[in-house]
Amino acid sequence: DAGVIQSPRHEVTEMGQEVTLRCKPISGHNSLFWYRQTMMRGLELLIYFNNNVPIDDSGMPEDRFSAKMPNASFSTLKIQPSEPRDSAVYFCASTTSANEQFFGPGTRLTVL
Amino acid sequence: LAKTTQPISMDSYEGQEVNITCSHNNIATNDYITWYQQFPSQGPRFIIQGYKTKVTNEVASLFIPADRKSSTLSLPRVSLSDTAVYYCPLSNNFNKFYFGSGTKLNVKP
Repeated sequence: DAGVIQSPRHEVTEMGQEVTLRCKPISGHNSLFWYRQTMMRGLELLIYFNNNVPIDDSGMPEDRFSAKMPNASFSTLKIQPSEPRDSAVYFCASTTSANEQFFGPGTRLTVL
Repeated sequence: LAKTTQPISMDSYEGQEVNITCSHNNIATNDYITWYQQFPSQGPRFIIQGYKTKVTNEVASLFIPADRKSSTLSLPRVSLSDTAVYYCPLSNNFNKFYFGSGTKLNVKP
């Protein structure tokens, strides 16, 4: 298996633009997580899905952020409009149990 | 979900045993203690998980006292390649993890 796949790996955009981050979880995994990592706040859980259904989005910073999981093999995290303070590394992870999450390589987002 | 507290950083030398502690005073009955390792420009990677007492695998040991309010990750004979950030998130049946800022381990030659 190729592991969790994220795209793009790097994204540079201007303030006000829409940004869409993509994630393909490991085949067979039924839970998917989106995290954000910054120097100031560390690694924060934004939202997680179980069997394609959003279970907890309490970590989503504000209405500018939205996440979808239309099927078991694909998820998106959208920021609209983007702001400089959204600059961070965004990770996607998937798992089948409470034991071990498998993380993707991350998307480094820079909002100018 | 209970939060965890770790030292911000630690230094060690090659060949030494390193023990990294994690405090989780508000751990819930159904929380498991999990340790992850993260290298620069990579996502975190699972190291070990436990509920109580001691757990050992090929790369580390995890010590958990009876009250479960803390845990210690033990890395035997570290090498330069063990330089990384180490996290101790708690997880429960709903798979939620709180990672925090972790402990940056710097292994020196």
